[in-house]
Amino acid sequence: QKEVEQNSGPLSVPEGAIASLNCTYSDRVSQSFFWYRQYSGKSPELIMSIYSNGDKEDGRFTAQLNKASQYVSLLIRDSQPSDSATYLCAVNGRTGNQFYFGTGTSLTVIP
Amino acid sequence: GAVVSQHPSWVICKSGTSVKIECRSLDFQATTMFWYRQFPKQSLMLMATSNEGSKATYEQGVEKDKFLINHASLTLSTLTVTSAHPEDSSFYICGSGQGAREQYFGPGTRLTVT
Repeated sequence: QKEVEQNSGPLSVPEGAIASLNCTYSDRVSQSFFWYRQYSGKSPELIMSIYSNGDKEDGRFTAQLNKASQYVSLLIRDSQPSDSATYLCAVNGRTGNQFYFGTGTSLTVIP
Repeated sequence: GAVVSQHPSWVICKSGTSVKIECRSLDFQATTMFWYRQFPKQSLMLMATSNEGSKATYEQGVEKDKFLINHASLTLSTLTVTSAHPEDSSFYICGSGQGAREQYFGPGTRLTVT
């Protein structure tokens, strides 16, 4: 079983719509959860981190965490064409330092 | 966020040669750095954890004698791909951060072995 699973997509949404990205993880010990955005040919950049159950909002981005369901999601409101990228979910491993990544969800925002 | 640099950004080498990739933390001291590899249309795979002043910890299936890691200072870790082969062609990314908190990545090194 993979540590972190995401729907690979592709996911397409019209400009201005809400994009919803989902991620599940297998290790209940995980305490830290992250969403990264990766443009083609570039390395990932951190968008959001979340450590406790509930919602965390930052601008147009909202991360949601449910540890009981081992589920973390990212909502992007008012999606823009510049949001088109691959979004990676990451979870810290048992030793705390290592991060494990999902395969990513490709998002396309259509103008 | 923390700033991590990598050098070179891309390299082409012949099969059988060795390539060294440098990862530097520019605005913080990194006792731990992480090396990842990413093949096209795949996610980041953790290769090893680099610890300042001690041996690196390798993930299962990663050959430690092929991927040599040195972390001699708090701001520099190096990954040397020894006797590179075409199947080692990939995007290599280093990351660093503060324990289980955010991890920041270097810009990556694209390695092509011919």
